[in-house]
Amino acid sequence: AQKVTQAQTEISVVEKEDVTLDCVYETRDTTYYLFWYKQPPSGELVFLIRRNSFDEQNEISGRYSWNFQKSTSSFNFTITASQVVDSAVYFCALSEPTVDRGSTLGRLYFGRGTQLTVWP
Amino acid sequence: EAQVTQNPRYLITVTGKKLTVTCSQNMNHEYMSWYRQDPGLGLRQIYYSMNVEVTDKGDVPEGYKVSRKEKRNFPLILESPSPNQTSLYFCASSLRFYNSPLHFGNGTRLTVT
Repeated sequence: AQKVTQAQTEISVVEKEDVTLDCVYETRDTTYYLFWYKQPPSGELVFLIRRNSFDEQNEISGRYSWNFQKSTSSFNFTITASQVVDSAVYFCALSEPTVDRGSTLGRLYFGRGTQLTVWP
Repeated sequence: EAQVTQNPRYLITVTGKKLTVTCSQNMNHEYMSWYRQDPGLGLRQIYYSMNVEVTDKGDVPEGYKVSRKEKRNFPLILESPSPNQTSLYFCASSLRFYNSPLHFGNGTRLTVT
């Protein structure tokens, strides 16, 4: 079973639409960290946000916002008024600082990514 | 400038010919790791290193080797490459693995024929 699931493989929107990228994770730890990374068409991977499991406040950064809900094990990412430059693959990731059964300290788990295309 | 440097950017080789992809970081990061990216499969961790001389397997370690003799370098070695190792490879580093964001290299596009 995947530890991080990004069920949306591809999403297409038209500029100025709002779009939400879903991320569902699985962990037994009470302490863990979640991340979002962006991979634009140029190919580099860029860090967007980190959230620890004890901080359930939603975060907003310009047009980007993140909704962390422990009750549903989700860490969703919303882009408001999308722009063409938002077109990219977005990855959600999970890290667990303690050793779990079947797990090994130091592992990072990425979802399969969501390809977002914003049309002009 | 703080960065992770991977070389080469592109590599075409033949089955069985040993190759090394180098990775170096100048941020004094403890944690380094290698990923491969394949269509529909996202980023899969190959190997990682918590510190010098400490390495461990990720999701897909078969066919790969790594070493961490110095803090800044973490080369990925393919002793006998096969076509199923054709992929886009990323090296990454972070200050501490669990709560620090990863800094990625620019990637190495490997083709094994």
